Amino acid sequence: EVQLVESGGGLVQPGGSLRLSCAASGFSFNSYTMHWVRQPPGKGLVWVSRISSTGGGATYADSVKGRFTISRDNAKNMLYLQMNSLTAEDTAVYYCVADNGSPGDYWGQGSLVTVSS
Amino acid sequence: DVVMTQSPVSLSVTLGQPASISCRSSQSLLKSNGNTYLNWFQQRPGQSPRRLIYHVSNREYGVPDRFSGSGSGTDFTLKISRVEAEDVGIYYCMQSTHWPPYTFGQGTKLEIK
Repeated sequence: EVQLVESGGGLVQPGGSLRLSCAASGFSFNSYTMHWVRQPPGKGLVWVSRISSTGGGATYADSVKGRFTISRDNAKNMLYLQMNSLTAEDTAVYYCVADNGSPGDYWGQGSLVTVSS
Repeated sequence: DVVMTQSPVSLSVTLGQPASISCRSSQSLLKSNGNTYLNWFQQRPGQSPRRLIYHVSNREYGVPDRFSGSGSGTDFTLKISRVEAEDVGIYYCMQSTHWPPYTFGQGTKLEIK
C-alpha cells in the first residue's frame, strides 16, 4: 500500500521556523520527483516546491523562495521542507505529493502549519 | 506565470445528470515534446486531493469512466456523465507544462441539487 505521511506541523510564532517531514512507503520513492503543495484554510491548492528524484533541481514558488528549503533522503525514503521566517500567510495544510511524469500520483494526508502569536 | 481559470466557481447538479467544468490557461499547454500537461484533481470534503485525469484525457486507475477529460491548447473540460453523491467536492485543474511555478485553477465546487 502506498503511503505518504507528513509530520512536523503545528503552531509557530511569526518569524519562527518549522521542519516538515514526509515518510514514503509502498512505491519506488527514489524514482519519483516530489513536491510540497499547500492549502490555506478554506482556500485552493498552491504549489510550493519541487525536488527531482535524485535530490537536485530544487525549485520554489516566489512566495517562499529564500525562506523554505526542500530536501530528500532517498536512503530513508523521506522528504523534508525546512520553513524559516514564517508569516501568517504561510498558515496552511501542507501536502507532500509524488510525481512520476506529472504531479499528483500520490498525496499525503497533510500537515497543518499555523503561524500565529 | 500561467494563469488557470476555471468556470463555473460552483455547480449544483441533480443526481444522474451530467456536469461540465471548464479550465482555461493563459498560454498554450502543449509542450515541445507533443504532450499537454493538464491534470484534474478531485478533493472530497475533509480529504486530500486525488488525481482523476492526467495529460488532458487519461483517467487514473480506479477512476469511474463517467469522468472524462478533453481539450487542447488553452481550453480544457472535465465532464461527469452522470453525477453521483460521491462526486461532491471541489475540482481543480493544474498545469505542469510551464514551471516553475506549477499552477492550479481556483477550484469548482460541485454539490448535489
